Amino acid sequence: AQSVTQPDIHITVSEGASLELRCNYSYGATPYLFWYVQSPGQGLQLLLKYFSGDTLVQGIKGFEAEFKRSQSSFNLRKPSVHWSDAAEYFCAYTSGSARQLTFGSGTQLTVLP
Amino acid sequence: NAGVMQNPRHLVRRRGQEARLRCSPMKGHSHVYWYRQLPEEGLKFMVYLQKENIIDESGMPKERFSAEFPKEGPSILRIQQVVRGDSAAYFCASSPRAGADEDTQYFGPGTRLTVL
Repeated sequence: AQSVTQPDIHITVSEGASLELRCNYSYGATPYLFWYVQSPGQGLQLLLKYFSGDTLVQGIKGFEAEFKRSQSSFNLRKPSVHWSDAAEYFCAYTSGSARQLTFGSGTQLTVLP
Repeated sequence: NAGVMQNPRHLVRRRGQEARLRCSPMKGHSHVYWYRQLPEEGLKFMVYLQKENIIDESGMPKERFSAEFPKEGPSILRIQQVVRGDSAAYFCASSPRAGADEDTQYFGPGTRLTVL
């Protein structure tokens, strides 16, 4: 079955440290991949997306993600984390034609001062 | 350009009552999607609608749930005879019909439904 896996339920980093959140997908063709962020009690904000082309995509708030077909991964990175980045992060994909998003289980990010 | 709007933001219902959740898509968007976020279960797709059409309802529970997106007005997710297990956050998303962004969904703030 097609799925998205976020292996890290919870990650804690210190402010100013680098961050990498993992995402693996299981899908035959190249999916459309997304990262969303959700602050407590809020909706989901789109950070970045990958459809095709350059495998390194830049997003908002200084985030980037790299699509690696050989590893079926789409990991999210940020070189220097800010306290305001504390939130839950969701990786998601769609096949394009199906339209519906399939989400990973999310990674909760805690940022230490 | 206003984002996706949902109301109410919080809704409390007693078991057996009806819940109506509203979603107004972003300006220029004609596709609407509903998702449910249950504790310990994550975000799950429910239904995909275009104006006056249900395109994909594969994620909708078979009973008590319905959705519509009329020609005029917001999309409505309706839950009849609510039960405690319906307590969740319900999110609406929208996307444009065509163009470079057609496969990108933008989410509203959600409606938190609590069933007493």
